[in-house]
This record gives sequence, C-alpha cells and structure tokens, in this order.
Amino acid sequence: DVKVTQSSRYLVKRTGEKVFLECVQDMDHENMFWYRQDPGLGLRLIYFSYDVKMKEKGDIPEGYSVSREKKERFSLILESASTNQTSMYLCASSLQMIQPEAFFGQGTRLTVV
Amino acid sequence: AQTVTQSQPEMSVQEAETVTLSCTYDTSESDYYLFWYKQPPSRQMILVIRQEAYKQQNATENRFSVNFQKAAKSFSLKISDSQLGDAAMYFCAYILWRNEKLTFGTGTRLTIIP
Repeated sequence: DVKVTQSSRYLVKRTGEKVFLECVQDMDHENMFWYRQDPGLGLRLIYFSYDVKMKEKGDIPEGYSVSREKKERFSLILESASTNQTSMYLCASSLQMIQPEAFFGQGTRLTVV
Repeated sequence: AQTVTQSQPEMSVQEAETVTLSCTYDTSESDYYLFWYKQPPSRQMILVIRQEAYKQQNATENRFSVNFQKAAKSFSLKISDSQLGDAAMYFCAYILWRNEKLTFGTGTRLTIIP
C-alpha cells in the first residue's frame, strides 16, 4: 500500500525559529511536493522536486526552502518562522507521468506564535 | 496563469440523493489529466477519480462519475446515492503533461444530511 508519512500532525513554534517539516515516501516516486492549505485558498504549491537534489519553486516559495538528499525524503524548511506561516502543510509524491496522480501525507498543522 | 475554479464553496445533499460538484479550468495545453480529490475530516487527501484529457469517455468509479467537457473546460463530479461517509472537502485539480505539477481549486465542502 502506498505510503507518504509526515513527521508531525501538529506543531507549535515560536516566531523566528527555524522549522523543519519532514516527509518520507516508500513508493520510489521521483516527484515530491510541498503544498500549503488555507481556507478559501485551496492548496498552493510551495516547492516541487523531480529528482534527488533537484527542486523547482512553486507558486509561493517566499520564506521557505527545501532539501532532498535522498529519493524518499523531502524536507520543508522555514528559515525564520512568522505568524503568517501558520497553516496546514501537505506533502505529496507521484511517479511522474506514468502514474500522474499524487499521493498525500496526513498533513502537518503548524502554528507559529 | 493556469487556474482551477470551484464556484461552490459549500454544498449539501440528502443521504441517498445525487449531487454534482462543478469545476472549470483554464489552460491552453491539450495534454493533461484532471482529478477529483476528497479530504475528509481526518485530513488524508484521497484520490476519487481521474480523467485523461485525450479520452472522450467520462470516467466512472462506482458511485462517482465525471462530466468532462473539454471544449468548455469543465469537469464536474457526480456522486450518486450519497452516503454519510462522502462528507468531506472535494478538490478539483489538473496536471499538465509537460510540467507534472498539480494545480488545485479552492475546494467544495460537501455536507450529507441524514
């Protein structure tokens, strides 16, 4: 069974902290994604990676960076957390266009205080 | 910019009835896939149904079917015999063959009335 696992379901951090959100997939997928979900705005793509060490900016990359050192792991980094980064973060993976549908993790609800 | 529009923020339907969720999208590309995803209160996003743009036949998955109108760029989801477990946020999305990034709509919250 397909599995995408995010390291935390809930996280509370202070303004200015460096925050790491981790995502691991066990499907040998090439593509991995980080989305941010806010009410009324749907899911917005932060960053996309199509291979190890490769990344592309999505629609809202400002204030975020990513790391993909191994195929199965994709990390989202908030360099200096701010209150406007309080949100739900969703990780996903896909097998490129052979099987284009994305599989999602359970989400991390991040609160920055 | 590529966009996906879901014009119904909320919908409700009586249990066992049929409901249709609407979705329109905007792309100049001809090769793409369309999806409906379901997000229940547990937050786990689940794929409901997928449609390849080159296929004229509408996709179906049990009680779920789509009405794909390529020229009108419309992709609606019909849920037949609605069940309490269908209550969720539903997101329409598409992916272009050339860039492999999923673009989502803003979602429709579906409530099932017992």
